[in-house]
Amino acid sequence: DTAVSQTPKYLVTQMGNDKSIKCEQNLGHDTMYWYKQDSKKFLKIMFSYNNKELIINETVPNRFSPKSPDKAHLNLHINSLELGDSAVYFCASSRFGETQYFGPGTRLLVL
Amino acid sequence: DQQVKQNSPSLSVQEGRISILNCDYTNSMFDYFLWYKKYPAEGPTFLISISSIKDKNEDGRFTVFLNKSAKHLSLHIVPSQPGDSAVYFCAAGKSGGSYIPTFGRGTSLIVHP
Repeated sequence: DTAVSQTPKYLVTQMGNDKSIKCEQNLGHDTMYWYKQDSKKFLKIMFSYNNKELIINETVPNRFSPKSPDKAHLNLHINSLELGDSAVYFCASSRFGETQYFGPGTRLLVL
Repeated sequence: DQQVKQNSPSLSVQEGRISILNCDYTNSMFDYFLWYKKYPAEGPTFLISISSIKDKNEDGRFTVFLNKSAKHLSLHIVPSQPGDSAVYFCAAGKSGGSYIPTFGRGTSLIVHP
């Protein structure tokens, strides 16, 4: 009965590949987010979706594309992976304007 | 440009004593502040928050203090327990708009038995 789940938990891949990370929440929240935690440990917002519509798109390369098939899911597709994409990616959800609930993270390593 | 700063990357405290984690912010428009706790291999979990209309909020062993003039907040844990060992993230945001807080880089707290 995990509230916010992400798959996979670990992802090791070669430069240039395309990969996806899936996120699902069963909290009935209307807003979902993707964060990146880089080597300096900052948690930086990448995208935010409210009711399946993009409301925030921070300065992120267009190789990253979020897709929200419904309010409970927000997947992250990454094309042409680069070494600098190695990080921990966290999905989160909330009711709009309220506290965020985070998933366990996906550890991406690009070789 | 770091709008939320946690200048101490780590803190070590004896069990039973007080832990004080500090956070500074630069954006005077921030009007709500949160602390999240993160264990290894898990996502951050919400711990406690405070609105800019208050200067203190308490929840059990956890108290957050806000000093708006100094743009500073702190999290006090009393008494500290070994299970409190985790990374603590400070976050701040503006009501209205996207409501997405800005996070600091975290402080790793170790509580020794």
